[in-house]
Amino acid sequence: DGGITQSPKYLFRKEGQNVTLSCEQNLNHDAMYWYRQDPGQGLRLIYYSQIVNDFQKGDIAEGYSVSREKKESFPLTVTSAQKNPTAFYLCASSIGRGSAYGYTFGSGTRLTVV
Amino acid sequence: AQSVTQLDSHVSVSEGTPVLLRCNYSSSYSPSLFWYVQHPNKGLQLLLKYTSAATLVKGINGFEAEFKKSETSFHLTKPSAHMSDAAEYFCVVSDSNSGYALNFGKGTSLLVTP
Repeated sequence: DGGITQSPKYLFRKEGQNVTLSCEQNLNHDAMYWYRQDPGQGLRLIYYSQIVNDFQKGDIAEGYSVSREKKESFPLTVTSAQKNPTAFYLCASSIGRGSAYGYTFGSGTRLTVV
Repeated sequence: AQSVTQLDSHVSVSEGTPVLLRCNYSSSYSPSLFWYVQHPNKGLQLLLKYTSAATLVKGINGFEAEFKKSETSFHLTKPSAHMSDAAEYFCVVSDSNSGYALNFGKGTSLLVTP
């Protein structure tokens, strides 16, 4: 079955360390997105990519980086510059440019800084 | 720029009574509008979406929403609440200006009492 796989489900990071969250999709979707969810804040957009080798900053990109070398993969790196990284991270994909439909969400990664 | 305002952070209803979750949006472009639901420790599920065809949109589990351009509103309703409706609900807007990324409201927590 097609879908989005996020790994790991839970992740612990020491302060000052970079950590990379994985997001893989087999839906043949062109567009991929990273969101951060905090209690009472809804989901906020970190980065998005509409095509391979191209990506744009979302509303809260500071302290994060991404790459899009393959259509199927959109990893997110949480750097030491991110002041408050403890949150729930959701990856999503959609059919592609010119469409807001056909969104699929992964099951998320819960990151905790210890 | 697009934005979404969910007017109530918490709504409490009795089982069997109507549900109204309010949402206002702003968008400089022709928006796409959605309602998503998130049950505790579960992923996001699409309830319904506005496709610019019919202004009254019917979704799953008896929910519906009406797009009112003059009021810039997209309120979610259900005639009779069920205990299983207790969850977090997100109103979402998307337009071409942000690459069709989803812009989430902060959420409304629905409590259903017996």
